[in-house]
Amino acid sequence: AQSVTQLGSHVSVSEGALVLLRCNYSSSVPPYLFWYVQYPNQGLQLLLKYTSAATLVKGINGFEAEFKKSETSFHLTKPSAHMSDAAEYFCAVSTGTASKLTFGTGTRLQVTL
Amino acid sequence: GAVVSQHPSWVICKSGTSVKIECRSLDFQATTMFWYRQFPKQSLMLMATSNEGSKATYEQGVEKDKFLINHASLTLSTLTVTSAHPEDSSFYICSASTGIGEQFFGPGTRLTVL
Repeated sequence: AQSVTQLGSHVSVSEGALVLLRCNYSSSVPPYLFWYVQYPNQGLQLLLKYTSAATLVKGINGFEAEFKKSETSFHLTKPSAHMSDAAEYFCAVSTGTASKLTFGTGTRLQVTL
Repeated sequence: GAVVSQHPSWVICKSGTSVKIECRSLDFQATTMFWYRQFPKQSLMLMATSNEGSKATYEQGVEKDKFLINHASLTLSTLTVTSAHPEDSSFYICSASTGIGEQFFGPGTRLTVL
């Protein structure tokens, strides 16, 4: 069984500030981990994914995430927030890149001036 | 590349009617397609997994007779909500996969049942 916990349903940061969105996972097998972004009334766009290679994964739009097995975490970070980063972010886990995904409850990121 | 479309993008129907939602992979062949539903301000919940040419696998609690899934070709899967009721109102999102790569998501279909 797999599950994902996203701490903080809503995160607010100032433009230019560090973005940190938390994700912890539970998996009985080595996990594949994903971060997706969703803008209002749209589908999901893949930001980055961990597939058992490098533990520090770089994605699009300046985002990155680090896989920490000891902490069962896969937190998403971005050094400097932009207004355009305001969206809903979902962490997800699966047993393979093409396997069904189990999503966290999502974190809404608000970026203020 | 790797574009997935959904049609319609939004639909309003009367209670008791059936609604069909199409999911197409435009530039690749999708051996597997997934259907999710998302309630307002909530996460995506997997409804079913469909492989081309075979019956869909439904998640626990999803009524297969109510949510009919057909994956007749490598580029098209359809979800039919039969005898829709207001509680079926939701955002339905499909994703498509080649089977060895990542899932690519469609833009979603918003269903409102009056």
